[in-house]
Amino acid sequence: EIVLTQSPATLSLSPGERATLSCRASQSVSSYLAWYQQKPGQAPRLLIYDASNRATGIPARFSGSGSGTDFTLTISSLEPEDFAVYYCQQRSNWPRAFGQGTKLEIK
Amino acid sequence: EVQLVESGGGLVQPGRSLRLSCTASGFTFGDYAMSWVRQAPGKGLEWVGFIRSKAYGGTTEYAASVKGRFTISRDDSKSIAYLQMNSLKTEDTAVYYCTREEYVGMDVWGKGTTVTVSS
Repeated sequence: EIVLTQSPATLSLSPGERATLSCRASQSVSSYLAWYQQKPGQAPRLLIYDASNRATGIPARFSGSGSGTDFTLTISSLEPEDFAVYYCQQRSNWPRAFGQGTKLEIK
Repeated sequence: EVQLVESGGGLVQPGRSLRLSCTASGFTFGDYAMSWVRQAPGKGLEWVGFIRSKAYGGTTEYAASVKGRFTISRDDSKSIAYLQMNSLKTEDTAVYYCTREEYVGMDVWGKGTTVTVSS
């Protein structure tokens, strides 16, 4: 079973700053990694698929990179609506696993 | 509008059963695989299970924590996916989300339905 470890658990930044979130897999998932954003009281939303592809309607300030076991989600310049919890998820193997999440909070 | 609506949640005693439904609209349901994801209060997302489209056999996959207790099925004529939950435990308490699976990932999510397992 593949385990995904996200870091940091909490990231405190100000609007306009750059955010870098990490996701590490316990074994290679190739590029089969997605990122989801979840705001309080809402369902998650797909941001990035296959490590580096933005989903439909996702702003260009969101970007993903990585392959194998190490992945990064970057938000180039934080907007107020970006403060949320972010999860990575692999679809390389069964069972599909989520990381434990990174909470991006306003500093 | 592409939409998923979960229903069937509620309060249930440990050991009992509950069936959740996920009603789809705005797309050809039978063309897509579907997944269930849950979120315990104050916790992260947990993948529960998956059902392939009939074109790919309609077969299922489950998380170890629910395998043997939960069953996912689908009725393409009604555009509904089901999550049958048996032998419920207190740790199954969560919001249960239904999602559409595209090659890009879980691209459509319902708003979720709450299941509380308590005596």
